[in-house]
Amino acid sequence: QSVLTQPPSVSGAPGQRVTISCTGSSSNIGAGYDVHWYQQLPGTVPKLLIYGNSNRPSGVPDRFSGSKSGTSASLAITGLQAEDEADYYCQSYDSSLSGYVFGTGTKVTVL
Amino acid sequence: QLQLQESGPGLVKPSQTLSLTCSVSGGSIKSGSYYWTWIRQPAGKGLEWIGRIYINGSTKYNPSLRSRVTMSVDTSKNQFSLKLSSVTAADTGVYYCARGGEFGELLRWGQGTAVIVSS
Repeated sequence: QSVLTQPPSVSGAPGQRVTISCTGSSSNIGAGYDVHWYQQLPGTVPKLLIYGNSNRPSGVPDRFSGSKSGTSASLAITGLQAEDEADYYCQSYDSSLSGYVFGTGTKVTVL
Repeated sequence: QLQLQESGPGLVKPSQTLSLTCSVSGGSIKSGSYYWTWIRQPAGKGLEWIGRIYINGSTKYNPSLRSRVTMSVDTSKNQFSLKLSSVTAADTGVYYCARGGEFGELLRWGQGTAVIVSS
């Protein structure tokens, strides 16, 4: 069981905005550790989507944005597109575990 | 362009040791301040961080796997390795190697290699 909790699924129509939450605790997100987000398209390798809470690697569309507040972080996708249908994972460091952890993962469905 | 490629047996018997190697091409494993990382994913499930190794040999492992994991780096071959001992069926899945940044972000991934633990 991961220490970072995400909703199992979110969905939205094309063009809509969806958000994915990543809820942690005082030993990870709440302790100030960075949150990173990954996108895993069906049958492919995960890809870094957001790093350091809100930074996009080169090539990632600005439709994707990340934020962090307190013991939680969020990934927002605006202007949802069919190609955004994928699994999304958050990641952070946990001081009580002395290691990195991934969130439980969220499947995004485009209606 | 940096590329990573995992290699190793696709089938391992229970109680044996799983050994995987990640070969790095398109750049030196010694350049930059990167952490060479292993992640795994059981079929249909989420990602699990296994651990990472720095070029000087310092390691950090997932506490749930720490007693069974050993990572090493071979700069002469531009590769790093994972050994997981006493495997069980629960260790079946796709194993990825990746290049990580200082804050754990996984910047570049290998294609992954499937490992099945079965007799």
